[in-house]
Amino acid sequence: AQRVTQPEKLLSVFKGAPVELKCNYSYSGSPELFWYVQYSRQRLQLLLRHISRESIKGFTADLNKGETSFHLKKPFAQEEDSAMYYCALSGRDGPGGGADGLTFGKGTHLIIQP
Amino acid sequence: DTEVTQTPKHLVMGMTNKKSLKCEQHMGHRAMYWYKQKAKKPPELMFVYSYEKLSINESVPSRFSPECPNSSLLNLHLHALQPEDSALYLCASSQGPGPTDTQYFGPGTRLTVL
Repeated sequence: AQRVTQPEKLLSVFKGAPVELKCNYSYSGSPELFWYVQYSRQRLQLLLRHISRESIKGFTADLNKGETSFHLKKPFAQEEDSAMYYCALSGRDGPGGGADGLTFGKGTHLIIQP
Repeated sequence: DTEVTQTPKHLVMGMTNKKSLKCEQHMGHRAMYWYKQKAKKPPELMFVYSYEKLSINESVPSRFSPECPNSSLLNLHLHALQPEDSALYLCASSQGPGPTDTQYFGPGTRLTVL
């Protein structure tokens, strides 16, 4: 069974400080990993996915298969980064079988203090 | 139109009522999903439709009945629900059913069962 673990329920950092949201996964095959973000009163939206290898809003995430991790990082936090962040996994063995649903971690609530 | 829309925004129903949730997308996506999200929890996959066919039912009770009348529409019919079914019901769609396809989420329908 696949699993996504986000160990921090809540992470509070000061504006301008580096941010790292941790995500570890358990999956027998080759996973596809995503970070989704939910700002206050907005819908869940994709932040980035490992296959794209891009930086969005200053965030990056690297898939480390050896450590089974996909941590989200940003060198300098901004107040508008405050939101709920979910790490999610999609794979052939997961829910959805050939059509893949997402398995979400429990989420990390990021608060950026001024 | 580049969004997933859901109606109604809020729904209150009794345990003997029959109601339906509606989800619509006009992005030409061929996979659509229903998720359930309880308060302070991550979304959990309920159903996946791939090319208008039900691909997966994640052991969801029969009081929830999905329907995909065409490639743009997804319904969730509700009957004889229990108070514990109160939650935010999220619809999502993706270009295709593969694990690398980004899922786009609607704003959700907040359901309260009395």
